Amino acid sequence: KQEVTQIPAALSVPEGENLVLNCSFTDSAIYNLQWFRQDPGKGLTSLLLIQSSQREQTSGRLNASLDKSSGRSTLYIAASQPGDSATYLCAVGYSGAGSYQLTFGKGTKLSVIP
Amino acid sequence: DAGVTQSPTHLIKTRGQQVTLRCSPKSGHDTVSWYQQALGQGPQFIFQYYEEEERQRGNFPDRFSGHQFPNYSSELNVNALLLGDSALYLCASSEQGSYGYTFGSGTRLTVV
Repeated sequence: KQEVTQIPAALSVPEGENLVLNCSFTDSAIYNLQWFRQDPGKGLTSLLLIQSSQREQTSGRLNASLDKSSGRSTLYIAASQPGDSATYLCAVGYSGAGSYQLTFGKGTKLSVIP
Repeated sequence: DAGVTQSPTHLIKTRGQQVTLRCSPKSGHDTVSWYQQALGQGPQFIFQYYEEEERQRGNFPDRFSGHQFPNYSSELNVNALLLGDSALYLCASSEQGSYGYTFGSGTRLTVV
């Protein structure tokens, strides 16, 4: 059974700081790994998707890396801003019972202090 | 282009009642997946529908059932509601064979 763990559960940083969120998974037989953002009480917004054959993906101030063999991914946020405050969820995509599905971690709640 | 639409946005039900949640997928998407997200937890997979059939199911009891219509929209039904069913229910749509999921804003269900 695929399990996804995110560390830390919560993080508070001053504006402008660079930060790293961590994600680990137990089964390396994955198709991809995705990072999502969730604002309070809202749905999920996809930030980055890394295919299993890739090592990293970048979008603006966000950079996600994937080390499939060790079961780890990191999300790097540069020059954090108060608008980055949200919960960040990591999800691994794999084949479950013959069809593609996502398994999520519990998320890291990020607060960026002005 | 409308994304995934879920209704209602909020719902309060009494323990033991039944509830139906609705989801309209993004245009061009034919697969719908439902997730339950309890407070402070990550989303948990309930089931997935494609071609009007349940293709895969997570670890949820039979009280949770669903349906997909010919226009690809979907319903999630929960019978005999328990207090523990209180959660944000998320619908995600995708194109069969694609890894790109689009999530709706969810339905917040409170069972009292």
